[in-house]
Amino acid sequence: NAGVMQNPRHLVRRRGQEARLRCSPMKGHSHVYWYRQLPEEGLKFMVYLQKENIIDESGMPKERFSAEFPKEGPSILRIQQVVRGDSAAYFCASSVDRANYEQYFGPGTRLTVT
Amino acid sequence: SQKIEQNSEALNIQEGKTATLTCNYTNYSPAYLQWYRQDPGRGPVFLLLIRENEKEKRKERLKVTFDTTLKQSLFHITASQPADSATYLCALGDGATNKLIFGTGTLLAVQP
Repeated sequence: NAGVMQNPRHLVRRRGQEARLRCSPMKGHSHVYWYRQLPEEGLKFMVYLQKENIIDESGMPKERFSAEFPKEGPSILRIQQVVRGDSAAYFCASSVDRANYEQYFGPGTRLTVT
Repeated sequence: SQKIEQNSEALNIQEGKTATLTCNYTNYSPAYLQWYRQDPGRGPVFLLLIRENEKEKRKERLKVTFDTTLKQSLFHITASQPADSATYLCALGDGATNKLIFGTGTLLAVQP
């Protein structure tokens, strides 16, 4: 029973490069959430996706950030032209469906922008 | 705007005692509230969920209460152990979009 998987666990990018973070939900889960945790701050919601659908992206920065959850394969959080302020831990969570509120988190991807 | 407050100071208790953590919120009417545990460098681990129409929930040594009038949840760990030392996060959900709003967490240290 694999839990939520994220890769890579650590990612170093130079300013201006692109970062791609991957998340595979728990088996049987079809809903994925992305959260960001800045140093010394709490977890902040970014986006909520179902297969091939974005349900809520109210927490996503308007520029440079995008997310997808294709029919096949993992969910991807993509950050274009990274800046130092993007350095954070990015966590993915999954749930069974919309009515099941329990969210199970992955180990996170720690992004460092140099 | 919505605000969630957890004990800002770290909580130090002796092994075997009951730890009580507080989560207060304002400007929000959550449909449910969840508690998570987070260890350094790791993702949050789901512990308990309590809905707005529930007063109390238990799971092994854990107990959560939810008072929608006081806008407060209390999280208790009985017979605490050093292995319970971690940061505990409170998170609120509205049941519409499923996004969670997290508090900043309380660091619990259980001394042997």
